Amino acid sequence: KAGVTQTPRYLIKTRGQQVTLSCSPISGHRSVSWYQQTPGQGLQFLFEYFSETQRNKGNFPGRFSGRQFSNSRSEMNVSTLELGDSALYLCASSSDSSVRDTQYFGPGTRLTVL
Amino acid sequence: SQQGEEDPQALSIQEGENATMNCSYKTSINNLQWYRQNSGRGLVHLILIRSNEREKHSGRLRVTLDTSKKSSSLLITASRAADTASYFCATVATGANNLFFGTGTRLTVIP
Repeated sequence: KAGVTQTPRYLIKTRGQQVTLSCSPISGHRSVSWYQQTPGQGLQFLFEYFSETQRNKGNFPGRFSGRQFSNSRSEMNVSTLELGDSALYLCASSSDSSVRDTQYFGPGTRLTVL
Repeated sequence: SQQGEEDPQALSIQEGENATMNCSYKTSINNLQWYRQNSGRGLVHLILIRSNEREKHSGRLRVTLDTSKKSSSLLITASRAADTASYFCATVATGANNLFFGTGTRLTVIP
């Protein structure tokens, strides 16, 4: 099976802009989670989608949003970008109905906000 | 915060030696998972240990879990240069449905 794919791999934006990141899970996986990784805060959970519904949400402002499509592909959107949003954004998929099972991670999208 | 703390933050060893990393967490858990990350790339799942298990092996990896002390350790035996990476523990708290990651240990294996 193909692994989790994320597009784009690298992105440069300026403050105030918005950005959309895409994640395609492993075929058959219905749970998709998003994480933000920064040197200062480490790996932080953003949200998790299962069957097109957001099931869990981390402690991030409303500028961070996401959605999941019927084919389990997911997108996350960040509006009104701030310098502090520069990070590696990782998505992960799981075959289980909950995220308690093994997570399979994509290579990440490196977002730089100037 | 349920985030785990890992110890040490960085570890440098010679090829062939064993590497031990420790993880402590704060709440009761459903399971604990270890992941590896190579230099700013995606995470790779290594091993999952459930709260009712005390030890688990996978190849050169050995994981222990002590729920009374809320701690886990990852042992990599006979290390190789290719093991150079950051290692993270992640917990799923009881009743929760998301992973909380530790701060990570940066392992360098010198050939």
